[in-house]
Amino acid sequence: GQQVMQIPQYQHVQEGEDFTTYCNSSTTLSNIQWYKQRPGGHPVFLIQLVKSGEVKKQKRLTFQFGEAKKNSSLHITATQTTDVGTYFCAGTGGTSYGKLTFGQGTILTVHP
Amino acid sequence: SQTIHQWPATLVQPVGSPLSLECTVEGTSNPNLYWYRQAAGRGLQLLFYSVGIGQISSEVPQNLSASRPQDRQFILSSKKLLLSDSGFYLCAWSVENTEAFFGQGTRLTVV
Repeated sequence: GQQVMQIPQYQHVQEGEDFTTYCNSSTTLSNIQWYKQRPGGHPVFLIQLVKSGEVKKQKRLTFQFGEAKKNSSLHITATQTTDVGTYFCAGTGGTSYGKLTFGQGTILTVHP
Repeated sequence: SQTIHQWPATLVQPVGSPLSLECTVEGTSNPNLYWYRQAAGRGLQLLFYSVGIGQISSEVPQNLSASRPQDRQFILSSKKLLLSDSGFYLCAWSVENTEAFFGQGTRLTVV
């Protein structure tokens, strides 16, 4: 079945440093989505990428979708304490219509 | 606008007791519905997903079951809870392959 792997599991940074999390799928994806979960909260949608090689930006966040549509990354420039939380990628694709499979998430800690 | 209701927010249940968690969606038709479980500090494990009434796909063998008696209602159940069933249960919905919207979650502790 479809598997989505995400690394690293944990990342500790000093405020102002950059952060990147990577996502890899065992199968070609129709799209990739990114979510953020604050401590004690529920995942909240950030963005969706659909096209091969697509790059999207949201302020300090840059999202990329690989050419083969099997990998993706989220990069945060100059982290702030408000960036703390768990970042998840999630994908749908292949014959698994309607099935949204999440990666394990990267827990980001930002030290002031 | 679309909303999702999930209850209760917290639940403490003894081992061997039954479980019923309910999730309802408003403002959309024929959504995809999901139940996820999250252990503390861990990722989201897909338990069940449904693309229509009565259509339930189970992702992992377990002590739980799901039902979708109405288009916008998704129920997670167990006949006898185990200690290992403790966790944070999240219901979510989406339409086609667009973003998923999550409920507030139920924190279940089995004692």
